[in-house]
Amino acid sequence: NAGVTQTPKFRILKIGQSMTLQCTQDMNHNYMYWYRQDPGMGLKLIYYSVGAGITDKGEVPNGYNVSRSTTEDFPLRLELAAPSQTSVYFCASSYLISAGGPDTQYFGPGTRLTVL
Amino acid sequence: GENVEQHPSTLSVQEGDSAVIKCTYSDSASNYFPWYKQELGKGPQLIIDIRSNVGEKKDQRIAVTLNKTAKHFSLHITETQPEDSAVYFCAASTSDSWGKLQFGAGTQVVVTP
Repeated sequence: NAGVTQTPKFRILKIGQSMTLQCTQDMNHNYMYWYRQDPGMGLKLIYYSVGAGITDKGEVPNGYNVSRSTTEDFPLRLELAAPSQTSVYFCASSYLISAGGPDTQYFGPGTRLTVL
Repeated sequence: GENVEQHPSTLSVQEGDSAVIKCTYSDSASNYFPWYKQELGKGPQLIIDIRSNVGEKKDQRIAVTLNKTAKHFSLHITETQPEDSAVYFCAASTSDSWGKLQFGAGTQVVVTP
């Protein structure tokens, strides 16, 4: 298993440009998440999905959109890039949530995005 | 919503000594507390987790303790080695939050030989 893969690894955007960050997992996980990590800070949740066709906002969703057409893929779209979106973006996935609590979240290697 | 505070922000230890990182949480419904290790340029990796029906969990040199009454949990690393140098994050989650993790701000651990 490759686990959670993300592309690209690095990207520089100009203000106002658009791009899609790709995320794929091969563990048949139903839950997937997008986080951003700013320097010296913890990770903040942008969007999450509990299954194909179902997505919802996290803590910091403004400026982003997501879709989940398959179990494996969970792309994150930036429509009008702004300098405030300069960050490292991590995708994560987990299997299920039971009465005992959430399952382990597995993270991808991240995409480092700079908006100039 | 849940708020997780993590201390200290940096921790320097001599090789062989112990390291302790503490986190407090605000939501008494939180029942899952993972710890992640993040090496430079990589994504976070789970190193240990604890659920609210357990007070302590150990895995070789790593242990986590949970005090539900005081709403805090701690990571203990014994016999530290240079490869333990990394940023460590605590997090908390509840069963009814779709697995959404609330992370602490992280602790930079430096183990000096």
